[in-house]
Amino acid sequence: LAKTTQPISMDSYEGQEVNITCSHNNIATNDYITWYQQFPSQGPRFIIQGYKTKVTNEVASLFIPADRKSSTLSLPRVSLSDTAVYYCLVGTTIYNQGGKLIFGQGTELSVKP
Amino acid sequence: GAVVSQHPSWVICKSGTSVKIECRSLDFQATTMFWYRQFPKQSLMLMATSNEGSKATYEQGVEKDKFLINHASLTLSTLTVTSAHPEDSSFYICSARDQLLSTDTQYFGPGTRLTVL
Repeated sequence: LAKTTQPISMDSYEGQEVNITCSHNNIATNDYITWYQQFPSQGPRFIIQGYKTKVTNEVASLFIPADRKSSTLSLPRVSLSDTAVYYCLVGTTIYNQGGKLIFGQGTELSVKP
Repeated sequence: GAVVSQHPSWVICKSGTSVKIECRSLDFQATTMFWYRQFPKQSLMLMATSNEGSKATYEQGVEKDKFLINHASLTLSTLTVTSAHPEDSSFYICSARDQLLSTDTQYFGPGTRLTVL
């Protein structure tokens, strides 16, 4: 399983765009990149998932360069409620390889007024 | 869609007793579920992979006789913490793998807070 590296913490202000970059140098051909958000005492919530280039949904955008060795989660115009820990994970979709995800330390995002 | 529930949301028990935690996928079938635990200010730690109709696969260092996992149906997996002790107090989270999606996404339950006195 590819190891991921993210900044431990980030600070931002309401209304700003926040970009969190994750490196995954050993990503395999069949691996997808998935980002989760976790609030205290809650299970992680799925944000976005992608394989290459750019993916956008109603919550965030995910940018993945051609070499796929990194990815950037972009949160537009953050609010105080976006204060949470964000996890970048890389997991295989190949059924017989189990599909398990190994969580890294995550990025603790603090949004200030 | 893609909702995973856990029951109970919190439980307090005496040392030496056993506690069962349920994980259900409400709107999809999950042949594979995962169990994690999380200590305060730490990341999630994968404990085991639960496969429907077969034995669970435990991560290194996790005692299979202490953390019993049963995945009897495509929508339900249970984790039983046997002879619980205070050091087992933690936040237990399950996830269910929706393999029908082309991207094979995992969805997480809300977690169960276990406190052993």
